[in-house]
Amino acid sequence: QVQLVQSGAEVKKPGASVKVSCKASGYTFTRHGMHWVRQAPGQRLEWMGWINAGNGNIKYSQKFQGRVTITRDTSASTAYMELSSLRSEDTAVYYCARDPYGDYSWYFDLWGRGTLVTVSS
Amino acid sequence: EIVLTQSPGTLSLSPGERATLSCRASQSISSSYLAWHQQKPGQAPRLLIYGASSRATGIPDRFSGSGSGTDFTLTISRLEPEDFAVYYCQQHGSSPLMYTFGQGTKLEIK
Repeated sequence: QVQLVQSGAEVKKPGASVKVSCKASGYTFTRHGMHWVRQAPGQRLEWMGWINAGNGNIKYSQKFQGRVTITRDTSASTAYMELSSLRSEDTAVYYCARDPYGDYSWYFDLWGRGTLVTVSS
Repeated sequence: EIVLTQSPGTLSLSPGERATLSCRASQSISSSYLAWHQQKPGQAPRLLIYGASSRATGIPDRFSGSGSGTDFTLTISRLEPEDFAVYYCQQHGSSPLMYTFGQGTKLEIK
């Protein structure tokens, strides 16, 4: 079954970091890119960045540049998104979403179910 | 940055009716770069349409997409109970790399 399984909900304090995982199954992990998208309460979906799971090339949204790190572990077919210096506005559901190609294309063809990250003191 | 505006915000219809959802871009975009996604509560979003009019794998043919330039439409020809969900349009930009989404249209049962 082709799917993306994300890690569980997290509660973090302001200033901390969070690392969310996204495990792929049912397809060849390295043949596709992986994007990260978040949705804060009442807000639009917001793209954060992308990684080519094959060669490790990365691009980040300018908004998150310097605070977000996307990595992957090909042996585990897993992508990761780490967000640092958390603030309350980072409270959101974080999604991984597969690119249909290795290099980035124009849309996402498979999504994870999301990971709720709550930032609260 | 290109802004996508969806209308209406909420659409109330009955099963069997036709649904027409709109997505307007703040500037002209290539049709290749416009996609539609469906999201149900507690579920992963699902790709419906890419390239403005191509149905994704496994998507029923009651879903169709159209449009060009700044105006795009998702049409559901005859609503099934499972179609009631939130729908998002999404576009891609390359310089710098960016993906943006509309604010969503909630399709609810009347």
